Amino acid sequence: DGGITQSPKYLFRKEGQNVTLSCEQNLNHDAMYWYRQDPGQGLRLIYYSQIVNDFQKGDIAEGYSVSREKKESFPLTVTSAQKNPTAFYLCASSRTPGTSAYNEQFFGPGTRLTVL
Amino acid sequence: GENVEQHPSTLSVQEGDSAVIKCTYSDSASNYFPWYKQELGKRPQLIIDIRSNVGEKKDQRIAVTLNKTAKHFSLHITETQPEDSAVYFCAASNYGQNFVFGPGTRLSVLP
Repeated sequence: DGGITQSPKYLFRKEGQNVTLSCEQNLNHDAMYWYRQDPGQGLRLIYYSQIVNDFQKGDIAEGYSVSREKKESFPLTVTSAQKNPTAFYLCASSRTPGTSAYNEQFFGPGTRLTVL
Repeated sequence: GENVEQHPSTLSVQEGDSAVIKCTYSDSASNYFPWYKQELGKRPQLIIDIRSNVGEKKDQRIAVTLNKTAKHFSLHITETQPEDSAVYFCAASNYGQNFVFGPGTRLSVLP
């Protein structure tokens, strides 16, 4: 299960607070992703990054922000603008997506965020 | 963009029976189709995948079939065991880009 880690495992936030979820990988993967998973639901893409200093919005980016200053790290900030942030957040990474490789995504263990 | 549907949403089988989960996709450019298993509170883990240049792939009790013409692919689990109980997600991707996941199937294997 090593290679991609997330912290903390559980996070509690008061309404109106920003919180940052950590995601680190030592797999030398270029691409990293953030997903949100609600109970009984599938995975919805929040943001993804295919290279350092570049990232793209996914399907549900509103109320979230990211940075990609290092290849190994892709932190996600849940801002106060996210109206319903309670969910399970999963980070993933993969080798460079491209036109000649089929690269699976490897997932971190997840962070469960609860808004009090 | 790509849209992936998955059925059924829940599936209960008796131990030892087979389970089949089906997914359809919309984008004909998709060529990589992984299946992930997620146990309660844990991360999704890849269990099998298939590329568009093959129609079937098998790994012990797990197999995946792909019909490119109809744009659907299926996961088959034979001789189910209690430890197979989990949520299974299919996904479609173009060379590992732009993954789109299905909504998941909760499989329960009854003793």
